[in-house]
Amino acid sequence: AQTVTQSQPEMSVQEAETVTLSCTYDTSESNYYLFWYKQPPSRQMILVIRQEAYKQQNATENRFSVNFQKAAKSFSLKISDSQLGDTAMYFCAFMKYSNDYKLSFGAGTTVTVRA
Amino acid sequence: GAGVSQTPSNKVTEKGKYVELRCDPISGHTALYWYRQSLGQGPEFLIYFQGTGAADDSGLPNDRFFAVRPEGSVSTLKIQRTERGDSAVYLCASSSRSGSSYNEQFFGPGTRLTVL
Repeated sequence: AQTVTQSQPEMSVQEAETVTLSCTYDTSESNYYLFWYKQPPSRQMILVIRQEAYKQQNATENRFSVNFQKAAKSFSLKISDSQLGDTAMYFCAFMKYSNDYKLSFGAGTTVTVRA
Repeated sequence: GAGVSQTPSNKVTEKGKYVELRCDPISGHTALYWYRQSLGQGPEFLIYFQGTGAADDSGLPNDRFFAVRPEGSVSTLKIQRTERGDSAVYLCASSSRSGSSYNEQFFGPGTRLTVL
């Protein structure tokens, strides 16, 4: 079974600053996907960014970027130029290539952006 | 078009009662997923439908939980003899299955179930 660990229950950042969320995972698979999802108070999970394990290049989506370290099984999310609308829970998630529908989520990190 | 919708938004019931939670996927999405999110936790996989059939129901916690998708569109998650431990947010997601290895799952807003 895959486990996803997010060790930071809460993070706070000043508007326009940068915050980094950590995520580690445990798997024996060699091919898989990693994701960061955002869950605002509306409860709707929104995909922020996706990384495929075979790609060495770190994924980037506008102000969101990841640092993927496959050997260390680490997948951190950096939010640059934080905005008030970034306030939400952020979940790291894992999906095997061979089981390409079952998402395994971490416990989440609450991010609060201060004005 | 519209995203994934779930009804009701909130459901309060008493221990031992039966509840049904409904999910309307994005039109044309053949794959549908149910997840359960307990307080302070990430979502946990319950069941995956491809069309009308449950392709993987390994996440259902016990036989009190059952889900159907009779016409390959709307799905209903059914919980019998509810227990206080069933209290959680139940999330539904849908995706297309185009044959490529990855298809993004689009989530609904969830149903918050509270068992008193």
